[in-house]
Amino acid sequence: DQQVKQNSPSLSVQEGRISILNCDYTNSMFDYFLWYKKYPAEGPTFLISISSIKDKNEDGRFTVFLNKSAKHLSLHIVPSQPGDSAVYFCAAKNSGYALNFGKGTSLLVTP
Amino acid sequence: DVKVTQSSRYLVKRTGEKVFLECVQDMDHENMFWYRQDPGLGLRLIYFSYDVKMKEKGDIPEGYSVSREKKERFSLILESASTNQTSMYLCASSPNPGQGDQETQYFGPGTRLLVL
Repeated sequence: DQQVKQNSPSLSVQEGRISILNCDYTNSMFDYFLWYKKYPAEGPTFLISISSIKDKNEDGRFTVFLNKSAKHLSLHIVPSQPGDSAVYFCAAKNSGYALNFGKGTSLLVTP
Repeated sequence: DVKVTQSSRYLVKRTGEKVFLECVQDMDHENMFWYRQDPGLGLRLIYFSYDVKMKEKGDIPEGYSVSREKKERFSLILESASTNQTSMYLCASSPNPGQGDQETQYFGPGTRLLVL
């Protein structure tokens, strides 16, 4: 039973425009959310996170928004760059140790 | 910087072989994890360990076992490899509360295993 869902398997955006990656979750006990970025043949690298007590967290070109009532979060990348092309995983956790991952969204930023 | 290393980047094994995947982290993290990544399925947790000699099953433990004899090392064992265990295997570690960014897991580069 997938508790974290990324319903768009892929997204294509032009360089310089905004990329918006979406993530929905079903478990209302999740209190911490993370985004990871993964290039082929490499392990995922941590990108940005947000606690459930916040609704926005920003780090340079990356902003994560959390809407707890809708159980929805999104990652905004502005402006998008070709080097941002990768698979992005949304993850969530509660008080336990393990992360619950979505299936990933493959982002392609075209020049 | 946190460093998580995995013993092999690529591995080819035959059906029925016993396979050991090794993971080492150098940041004195308490928690270590094994995932597999498959196209269209994302990352699925196989096993994790929150202390030496402690282990917990994840979402898909069948066909796997683990060993954590030392804090820095977490091994994944395929007792009798099967073709449906062909996958990318990812190890991760994270600290406990009070050690820093305890919510974040740090991943190794992955081992791509092909079982023939």
